[in-house]
Amino acid sequence: QVQLQESGPGLVKPSGTLSLTCIVSGGSINSHYWSWIRQPPGKALEWIGYIHHSGSTNYNPSLHSRVTISVDTSKTQFYLRLSSVTAADTAAYYCARGGVAGNYYKAVGRFYYSSYMDVWGKGTRVTVSS
Amino acid sequence: EIVMTQSPATLSVSPGVRGTLSCRASQSVTTNLAWYQQKHGQAPRLLIYGASTRATGVPARFSGSGSGTEFTLTISSLESEDFAVYYCQQYHNGLTFGGGTKVEIK
Repeated sequence: QVQLQESGPGLVKPSGTLSLTCIVSGGSINSHYWSWIRQPPGKALEWIGYIHHSGSTNYNPSLHSRVTISVDTSKTQFYLRLSSVTAADTAAYYCARGGVAGNYYKAVGRFYYSSYMDVWGKGTRVTVSS
Repeated sequence: EIVMTQSPATLSVSPGVRGTLSCRASQSVTTNLAWYQQKHGQAPRLLIYGASTRATGVPARFSGSGSGTEFTLTISSLESEDFAVYYCQQYHNGLTFGGGTKVEIK
């Protein structure tokens, strides 16, 4: 049974960089796509981006300029970095696994994969404040 | 970006009654549509993918239907543990979530 666990600082200063880790246990990271999703207090879910074990990534266009997602398959972990944070980045951050019955689509001259999320971490709350 | 709109924002129903939640896409997503349940303070839980396929372990009282731009999640007979917020999500082009429907006890 695959389990995901987020970790990282709960408080980040404005203009700083938010860095989170997701540990994958009970299964292989060398399959599936691995996503980060966030949820501001009292608001809806927002997809941040995903990474494949090969290193290919896809980011939400609204966050693309500030997001980096990376993976370390030897540690079965993947990571989120979000730069130049403001109070609007205060949220619960979740890591999740992409399901296998997703969809390939073409955008900007290349193919991407997108999917539902079938396994979620419990989430970690991050507050941006001085 | 494909915009997902859910209605109603809040659904007030009594236990044992059928609940019907709607999700509309701004353009066709064929059947690349998922539904999630989120209880207070918890992570979302996948209920439905492919518009109508129940995820592992999801009770049969949950069913999904629709294609193109109009989708429905039906809970045939609401039980106490079903009172939660429900989100739809498209994965046809990019990945976007709806704003959610809160199902509350009437």
